[in-house]
Amino acid sequence: DVQMTQSPSSLSASLGDRVTISCQASQDIGTYLNWYQQRPGKAPHLLIYEASNLETGVPSRFSGSGSGTDFSLTIGSLEPEDVATYYCQQYHHLPLTFGAGTSVEVK
Amino acid sequence: QVQLQESGPRLVKPSETLSLTCTVSEDSISNYFWTWLRQSPGKGLEWIGYIHYTGSTSYNPSLKNRVSMSVNRSKNQFSMRLTFVTAADTAIYYCARSRITFIRGVMAPNWFDPWGQGTLVTVSS
Repeated sequence: DVQMTQSPSSLSASLGDRVTISCQASQDIGTYLNWYQQRPGKAPHLLIYEASNLETGVPSRFSGSGSGTDFSLTIGSLEPEDVATYYCQQYHHLPLTFGAGTSVEVK
Repeated sequence: QVQLQESGPRLVKPSETLSLTCTVSEDSISNYFWTWLRQSPGKGLEWIGYIHYTGSTSYNPSLKNRVSMSVNRSKNQFSMRLTFVTAADTAIYYCARSRITFIRGVMAPNWFDPWGQGTLVTVSS
């Protein structure tokens, strides 16, 4: 299985801060990488697909980058509604696998 | 806007079978992969498997042949069964839609969107 390692596991930042979350794959997955946001008590929803494509309706402060084994999700300016857990997911190989998540809080 | 809704028993006894159904509204069940996932505190998000509207399936090997899925095109529903459940199968179960892509010439699912709201299933006697 492709192992997805996210870092950090949690972070606390101030409103307006730039936040970056990393995701590393255990093998080359090209750009077959997605990011999801899960707010407390809710189902995950898609933010970024294919490493860098913003899903329709997602604010432009979110961006994704990377290819191969190293990827990142950036929140350009943290807003209160961004408090959530963020997950990366690869679809280059079955079984489809997720990172363990990064919890984002506001200081 | 497509919506997915999980339904099924919330409490299952150990060694019995967990059965869930996902009803798809505002979209046809054709032309997509339909996926089951689960989330438990100990294991995070786990992909269980998918079924194509034609009936072809792919399952996570970690479930060791305990899972099966089916699709009912007339009702716009798809279902999953997980046999011989234990406490480790206690989780929030989600259904989701995946679009179809081609990877290395093979039809494959890509991202999950949208998701159902999820249903907590507890395995306990």
